[in-house]
Amino acid sequence: DIQMTQSPSSLSASVGDRVTLTCRASQSFGTSLNWYQQKPGKAPKLLIYAASSLQSGVPSRFTGGGSGTDFTLTISSLQPEDFATYYCQQSYSIPYSFGQGTKLEI
Amino acid sequence: QLQLQESGPGLAKPSETLSLTCTVSGGFISGNYWVWIRQPPGKGLEWIGTIYYTGISNYNPSLQSRLTMSVDTSKNQFSLRVTSVTAADTAVYYCARATTVTKGAIDYWGQGALVTVSS
Repeated sequence: DIQMTQSPSSLSASVGDRVTLTCRASQSFGTSLNWYQQKPGKAPKLLIYAASSLQSGVPSRFTGGGSGTDFTLTISSLQPEDFATYYCQQSYSIPYSFGQGTKLEI
Repeated sequence: QLQLQESGPGLAKPSETLSLTCTVSGGFISGNYWVWIRQPPGKGLEWIGTIYYTGISNYNPSLQSRLTMSVDTSKNQFSLRVTSVTAADTAVYYCARATTVTKGAIDYWGQGALVTVSS
């Protein structure tokens, strides 16, 4: 199984900040990496697929990057609605595992 | 706009079977991959399995011996059964869609259904 490790587990930031979240895989798999945002009591929302492709309707301040084992999600200028938990997920091999999440707090 | 809705009992007894159905509206089951994800209270996401509209499925090996997924294209529904449940199966269960357009990423989610395993 591929293990996904996100860092940091939590992050405090302010509106307008630029932040970068990291996701590391236990083995290399190209760019089959997705990022989701989840707010309390809600289903996750797809932000980025295939490591760097922006899902339709997602603001351009979200950018994904990386390949192989190391991936990043950057939010260029935090907005109040961006404070949430972010999960990475690999869709390369079964089981399609998720990271443990990064909670982004004000 | 595609919508997914989970339905099923919110309570299951230990050792019994958990059954959930997902109804898809605003689109068709055909041509896509349908996914079950769960999230224990206060914890992260776990991929349970994926079923193609033809009925071909892939399960999480950690759960495989207890899982059955099925699809009913005539009703635009797909279903999940988990046997021999324990308290560790208590979670919010999400049904969702993955597509080749998003390279297997999950682009539509149901609102989630909390299933509690308790006697």
